[in-house]
Amino acid sequence: DVKVTQSSRYLVKRTGEKVFLECVQDMDHENMFWYRQDPGLGLRLIYFSYDVKMKEKGDIPEGYSVSREKKERFSLILESASTNQTSMYLCASSLQGAKNIQYFGAGTRLSVL
Amino acid sequence: AQTVTQSQPEMSVQEAETVTLSCTYDTSESDYYLFWYKQPPSRQMILVIRQEAYKQQNATENRFSVNFQKAAKSFSLKISDSQLGDAAMYFCAYRFWGAQKLVFGQGTRLTINP
Repeated sequence: DVKVTQSSRYLVKRTGEKVFLECVQDMDHENMFWYRQDPGLGLRLIYFSYDVKMKEKGDIPEGYSVSREKKERFSLILESASTNQTSMYLCASSLQGAKNIQYFGAGTRLSVL
Repeated sequence: AQTVTQSQPEMSVQEAETVTLSCTYDTSESDYYLFWYKQPPSRQMILVIRQEAYKQQNATENRFSVNFQKAAKSFSLKISDSQLGDAAMYFCAYRFWGAQKLVFGQGTRLTINP
């Protein structure tokens, strides 16, 4: 079974803190994704990566950055957390190719106070 | 830009009955894929069913089937013989054949009444 693991289920941070969300997949997938999930808005893509050190902006990249130094690991960074970044963050991975399934992690619920 | 719309924020159904979740999408492309994902409470999102746009036959996976109407840009999910374990958020998603990213709808929360 494909496993996508997010390092934390719940995080509470202060405004202005630098926050790291980590995601690891064990299926040698080329693609990795970070989404934000908010009620009534569904999932919105923040960034994705199609190879090590390669990244592309998604629909809502402002206030976020990413890092992919190894194929299996994709990190989402909030440089200076703000209260409007309180949300559920989902990581996903897939093989390249549009028909391929994205596999999701369990999510990290981040609260910024 | 492609968009996906799920117009039913919440649905409920009696156990063992059938329910249909609606999804419409907007695209100018002719080759693409459509997906339904399920997100159970506090659990990981998993794929329910996938449809290739070039296939006229509707996809089926056990109790789950779709009604794909390409001209109407409609992609509904039918769940037959609903079970308590079907309770979840359901997301419809679109992916253009040449793209890697998914475009998601707003989600529909499905409740199963015993």
